[in-house]
Amino acid sequence: DAGVTQSPTHLIKTRGQQVTLRCSPKSGHDTVSWYQQALGQEPQFIFQYYEEEERQRGNFPDRFSGHQFPNYSSELNVNALLLGDSALYLCASSLGSQNTEAFFGQGTRLTVV
Amino acid sequence: AQKITQTQPGMFVQEKEAVTLDCTYDTSDPSYGLFWYKQPSSGEMIFLIYQGSYDQQNATEGRYSLNFQKARKSANLVISASQLGDSAMYFCAMREVYNQGGKLIFGQGTELSVKP
Repeated sequence: DAGVTQSPTHLIKTRGQQVTLRCSPKSGHDTVSWYQQALGQEPQFIFQYYEEEERQRGNFPDRFSGHQFPNYSSELNVNALLLGDSALYLCASSLGSQNTEAFFGQGTRLTVV
Repeated sequence: AQKITQTQPGMFVQEKEAVTLDCTYDTSDPSYGLFWYKQPSSGEMIFLIYQGSYDQQNATEGRYSLNFQKARKSANLVISASQLGDSAMYFCAMREVYNQGGKLIFGQGTELSVKP
């Protein structure tokens, strides 16, 4: 039973570029949430997708957008990258938004230079 | 106001001893869940244990147990018989069912070092 998988694991981008991160949820899960974790900090909630719609959003600018596909996988897109976007991006999956389970992938480490 | 507070930035424990990592929370939501995660240097966030606000008994998962004191709004993680592989960052997180729509709110984390 595959857990949550994220790709790529590492990424280096130049300021101003755009990036797409991908997440496949754990088998049987239908809800995907994205978190940003800056170095030495706790994860911060970006947004959550359920039934292919953004259901909840944290305090992040519109440069951060996402998508959920019919197979429940999800993408996180960040436009006009800033140096401050350098972070570990974590994807979490669950069955519904209120479930007792919330499993994370291994994360994508994004470096903006 | 901080919703999840972990007051121990760093903790040391001797191998094979037990250790308690503190977590206090603040919520007015009657229904919430509390999670503990382990994050090694590789970055993956590993789920350890969950406690629901209506659960009558403290949650246990192998060497991990959660000391849930609802009136004091605390949810401390107890690791018994520490192992060298337990060295990592530990995060306490809360999910409020009604107020926050299910997103996880994390504490600042506690870095645990297990000494041989």
